[in-house]
Amino acid sequence: LAKTTQPISMDSYEGQEVNITCSHNNIATNDYITWYQQFPSQGPRFIIQGYKTKVTNEVASLFIPADRKSSTLSLPRVSLSDTAVYYCLVGVNGGATNKLIFGTGTLLAVQP
Amino acid sequence: DAGVIQSPRHEVTEMGQEVTLRCKPISGHNSLFWYRQTMMRGLELLIYFNNNVPIDDSGMPEDRFSAKMPNASFSTLKIQPSEPRDSAVYFCASTDFGGSPSYEQYFGPGTRLTVT
Repeated sequence: LAKTTQPISMDSYEGQEVNITCSHNNIATNDYITWYQQFPSQGPRFIIQGYKTKVTNEVASLFIPADRKSSTLSLPRVSLSDTAVYYCLVGVNGGATNKLIFGTGTLLAVQP
Repeated sequence: DAGVIQSPRHEVTEMGQEVTLRCKPISGHNSLFWYRQTMMRGLELLIYFNNNVPIDDSGMPEDRFSAKMPNASFSTLKIQPSEPRDSAVYFCASTDFGGSPSYEQYFGPGTRLTVT
């Protein structure tokens, strides 16, 4: 199975915009791209989901190019509480059923 | 709703023992997922059910692992016999399938398993 890759870590300061990209070159044609946030000792928490183009909710935006082989999570004006690990989740072509693959995760560290 | 409930939260056992992890999904959700998280391998899907039927169990490591979903409100993941390399955090998640398994999932707090 193709890997779903992300940068290992990113640093930012409070108030800045942060963009985290996930590469998923074997994504299934009929599946969503979903992003999760995980704090230590907790389960992942849903942030945003999309299929194509751009999606925005109250906490983030998700940009998906036409070929869907990557996606970018955008967090506007981050705060210290946004320090966490961020994962993408996609379905990849796996025969009879799509295989769900989590990205490698990006540790975002927000500093004052 | 109380969210996805997992028990126990922590489990310490000796190699060779049977381990049973339990999950109660969110009421009304029709899909349930079991994941394993380790530092080396990250988050891995083990198995998922739709309407209590296993759809994809290709992530189950070997025959020592088994999962059941006898009804819509309960699932178990069993390891027999357990080995030290099974030590990990096991998450259960549920969703209203929505036609796609990658649809928004709600995760439980996880069970931290340590096999000595």
